[in-house]
Amino acid sequence: GDSVTQTEGLVTLTEGLPVMLNCTYQTIYSNPFLFWYVQHLNESPRLLLKSFTDNKRTEHQGFHATLHKSSSSFHLQKSSAQLSDSALYYCALTITGNTGKLIFGLGTTLQVQP
Amino acid sequence: EAAVTQSPRNKVTVTGGNVTLSCRQTNSHNYMYWYRQDTGHGLRLIHYSYGAGNLQIGDVPDGYKATRTTQEDFFLLLELASPSQTSLYFCASSDAGNTEVFFGKGTRLTVV
Repeated sequence: GDSVTQTEGLVTLTEGLPVMLNCTYQTIYSNPFLFWYVQHLNESPRLLLKSFTDNKRTEHQGFHATLHKSSSSFHLQKSSAQLSDSALYYCALTITGNTGKLIFGLGTTLQVQP
Repeated sequence: EAAVTQSPRNKVTVTGGNVTLSCRQTNSHNYMYWYRQDTGHGLRLIHYSYGAGNLQIGDVPDGYKATRTTQEDFFLLLELASPSQTSLYFCASSDAGNTEVFFGKGTRLTVV
């Protein structure tokens, strides 16, 4: 079945360093929609980025990601981490034309240290 | 900003007890979802619906029932609560199956 894999459970890095959180997905359908959601401590998840266009970079709030259908990937990147980026990040997948089922990865906790 | 309101925000119940979690969205979204969030398991889909009277089974439905009574209201029912159902439950809604999902603030359920 459809699935999302986030290989890192915890990423710890120093403020100012680049961020890269990995996301790969598996689906038999050719038109996936990919999302990144961010959840800060004691808050609800909220949308950070979304894409359905192959090889097109999408950006929001300093983060960016590019959907690569050839490698089934949608990695999240940022050039310089800030302390306020510390949060839980979820990659998620849905399929065009389905009945709305959104599949989440297990999440990656990003800890940014001074 | 889409509004998704969950009640109660916190609930403690005993093993074998009945619990109903309520969710209301006020943005005329078609899709509504119930997720549970547990450390190490991420967000897992319990049930979802794409309209009043519709119900779709998610990935972890065992022990849960759901009912979508109106466009706005989606309920999650635990008829024989077990300690394994202790979790943080999120309700969410979206306009379509591939658009942004808006989450409520969550209900923390403890089954003792």
